[in-house]
Amino acid sequence: KAGVTQTPRYLIKTRGQQVTLSCSPISGHRSVSWYQQTPGQGLQFLFEYFSETQRNKGNFPGRFSGRQFSNSRSEMNVSTLELGDSALYLCASSLPIKPGQRSSSSYNEQFFGPGTRLTVL
Amino acid sequence: AQSVSQHNHHVILSEAASLELGCNYSYGGTVNLFWYVQYPGQHLQLLLKYFSGDPLVKGIKGFEAEFIKSKFSFNLRKPSVQWSDTAEYFCAVKEGGTGRRALTFGSGTRLQVQP
Repeated sequence: KAGVTQTPRYLIKTRGQQVTLSCSPISGHRSVSWYQQTPGQGLQFLFEYFSETQRNKGNFPGRFSGRQFSNSRSEMNVSTLELGDSALYLCASSLPIKPGQRSSSSYNEQFFGPGTRLTVL
Repeated sequence: AQSVSQHNHHVILSEAASLELGCNYSYGGTVNLFWYVQYPGQHLQLLLKYFSGDPLVKGIKGFEAEFIKSKFSFNLRKPSVQWSDTAEYFCAVKEGGTGRRALTFGSGTRLQVQP
């Protein structure tokens, strides 16, 4: 089974530009979460999507947004890029949780992709 | 809000030495606990997880962790490290019993194993 894929793997942008990153989850996974990894702040949760709906959002400014498509693929967008947005952006997918399975480990495990390394100059 | 503390930022060990990495979290409710590893140039991989039951959990590559609820801790251990264990290790916490998947990560511990 193919893992989580993210494109592009590397990206260089300049301040003020906007960027779109893509994530394809593992086949059958319908939940996608995004994280930002920086040396200073570590790994921080951005948002989570399920069935094309944002279910949860981290503490990031409105310049960070995302969406999910009917095939579960997800994109995240960062507008008006700042130098501090330089980071590794990770996508993780997991199986959809069904009623009564909220504590099941199988449905709560997240599988991470290789990330997109964004450099803002 | 949840927070996760990893006390050791950089650990250097010789091969065959024993390893223990500390992880403490602050959250009063039910938690799911994870340890992830990031090898150089590779993506995050799950080492082990705790959801319920036996507080001593075993993961891949000989790693284990013990959940001590009274201490809000989930320390990672390995009796004998190898050079190939050189990596960054992250402890993570998730609210248990909910549909939310957001993980709160610790700052990570960089482990360097010298041959």
